[in-house]
Amino acid sequence: GAGVSQSPSNKVTEKGKDVELRCDPISGHTALYWYRQRLGQGLEFLIYFQGNSAPDKSGLPSDRFSAERTGESVSTLTIQRTQQEDSAVYLCASSLVSTGSGNTIYFGEGSWLTVV
Amino acid sequence: GQSLEQPSEVTAVEGAIVQINCTYQTSGFYGLSWYQQHDGGAPTFLSYNALDGLEETGRFSSFLSRSDSYGYLLLQELQMKDSASYFCAVRFDQAGTALIFGKGTTLSVSS
Repeated sequence: GAGVSQSPSNKVTEKGKDVELRCDPISGHTALYWYRQRLGQGLEFLIYFQGNSAPDKSGLPSDRFSAERTGESVSTLTIQRTQQEDSAVYLCASSLVSTGSGNTIYFGEGSWLTVV
Repeated sequence: GQSLEQPSEVTAVEGAIVQINCTYQTSGFYGLSWYQQHDGGAPTFLSYNALDGLEETGRFSSFLSRSDSYGYLLLQELQMKDSASYFCAVRFDQAGTALIFGKGTTLSVSS
């Protein structure tokens, strides 16, 4: 597609439920990133994919968080047994990875998650 | 660990010039980027510096000094629509890592 697409755009879930957030990157972008942004806060790195592999999972806050990517395209971020502190915007981004790319990454509009 | 420091808030009036500083401490360095985010919106790319010096893009300029681990974003002829959060970001490895972002600077432009 023309841009990074995320779904759902908004999700309200009950504490303890599992949620899945989906990201469709820009076609041809091999790198995919997930960030979390709490209200009024900065962007917290969660995980990065190069192709279908995740060389950097250092930002996942707990074992309740997992992510996968298939076909060098769609990625899913799963949060199990959600807690209220998981409430945030989850931003997905993609990029071409090369030294000449200028480090530009393109963000989606985010999935706004509210845990009640 | 990797860290980026930038002021939390800056205020200015229309037509003014404002500078947002960013200092970084990272294990490696492969360029400093700046992103803009309006309330409720997605961050969007503004500029990138890989080498020392000034990069100019219209009303926005960005500067980098690698020896000082320091950069800044300069916004000129401020407009109300420039009110937003501005994030500096660093990639600290050539490959296999994501961009690490600062906590952001909220710019408020008044008339």
